[in-house]
Amino acid sequence: DAKTTQPNSMESNEEEPVHLPCNHSTISGTDYIHWYRQLPSQGPEYVIHGLTSNVNNRMASLAIAEDRKSSTLILHRATLRDAAVYYCPYERGAQKLVFGQGTRLTINP
Amino acid sequence: NAGVTQTPKFQVLKTGQSMTLQCAQDMNHEYMSWYRQDPGMGLRLIHYSVGAGITDQGEVPNGYNVSRSTTEDFPLRLLSAAPSQTSVYFCASSYSNGPWDEQFFGPGTRLTVL
Repeated sequence: DAKTTQPNSMESNEEEPVHLPCNHSTISGTDYIHWYRQLPSQGPEYVIHGLTSNVNNRMASLAIAEDRKSSTLILHRATLRDAAVYYCPYERGAQKLVFGQGTRLTINP
Repeated sequence: NAGVTQTPKFQVLKTGQSMTLQCAQDMNHEYMSWYRQDPGMGLRLIHYSVGAGITDQGEVPNGYNVSRSTTEDFPLRLLSAAPSQTSVYFCASSYSNGPWDEQFFGPGTRLTVL
């Protein structure tokens, strides 16, 4: 069954860049790559998505491998407010996102 | 815009009771969905709707019913609550069901079934 794989947890320091990896080895050619994050006691929040090219927005950057089997979410300067669980859900049909357990990101002051 | 709103925030039920979790959005989004999140787990899709009058099952639909009579509202009904339905429930909406659309999630309803 299709799925994504992420490290359970990562830790970084405030104001340093953070690179969060995701493996999606069974992705198909038309599946978009999504990233969401969930702050404590809140609903998930959209971060970024892409198809083939690297993407930038005000929150983060998304680097997509050439074969699309992996992607990396880049937070350029982490803040304490970036501490959250980060998900790279795969898509089982239009908008039917399947979330794994995600990566819990801890930011040290 | 209020975005996606959910009521109630917390609910405790006894086994066998029924209830409806409310979800509303004011963004004129066509696509709405319900997820559940168990402790330490990711979200799992329960039901979704691509527009008023159209609903379909997600990954874990058993024990839940939905209907979509208006664009704004997408209630989730628990027919006969069971302890296995103890979870946090999230409603989400997006402009369409296009894979490029971002989903907006509500704050969640924390449900405990005794």
